[in-house]
Amino acid sequence: NAGVMQNPRHLVRRRGQEARLRCSPMKGHSHVYWYRQLPEEGLKFMVYLQKENIIDESGMPKERFSAEFPKEGPSILRIQQVVRGDSAAYFCASSPPPALGQPQHFGDGTRLSIL
Amino acid sequence: DQQVKQNSPSLSVQEGRISILNCDYTNSMFDYFLWYKKYPAEGPTFLISISSIKDKNEDGRFTVFLNKSAKHLSLHIVPSQPGDSAVYFCAASASTGSNYKLTFGKGTLLTVNP
Repeated sequence: NAGVMQNPRHLVRRRGQEARLRCSPMKGHSHVYWYRQLPEEGLKFMVYLQKENIIDESGMPKERFSAEFPKEGPSILRIQQVVRGDSAAYFCASSPPPALGQPQHFGDGTRLSIL
Repeated sequence: DQQVKQNSPSLSVQEGRISILNCDYTNSMFDYFLWYKKYPAEGPTFLISISSIKDKNEDGRFTVFLNKSAKHLSLHIVPSQPGDSAVYFCAASASTGSNYKLTFGKGTLLTVNP
């Protein structure tokens, strides 16, 4: 499967625990984006990463959230000390270097539920 | 502040007829527009896009029209098929500055009845 792979598909955490969401980009793509979708809402940009580099994290909450895309391995979105409001679908997308006419391709998301 | 608006939460059409999904935007810096289709429990799938230098782009049954002066775009699906039933998201980006940052509307649920 050459598409964007996200795991786990579903993640349940209790308040105060940590959540780790993984994303492997499409083959040949070196640019990764994370989006969050709250119920009844559209997707909201969180962060854009290249290998070993955070390019833009302007959409990510300053506290408790972090993201990385190491030289080897998947991109990780990490949420520490989760709260109920973190319950959402988190989507990862990838692309070649961004350019006009270059769509982002999305994974199937991780549905995070906080008890 | 919602920069991309899809004012119809849902749309229902008969199989074989035309589906027209609408999208309005407020940010005049947007110059690239995309439509994504999303089935439940799946990620958005890219459908079709258009840059602001064009006013129409066609791909098979799907056509996107862009009216820059009205800051309005629409997706036409002809003929509609039951498999087209999904949520359709309009998205936009600006080529200057953060051209990677897609701004999405809230989506329109299309139901195509057999």
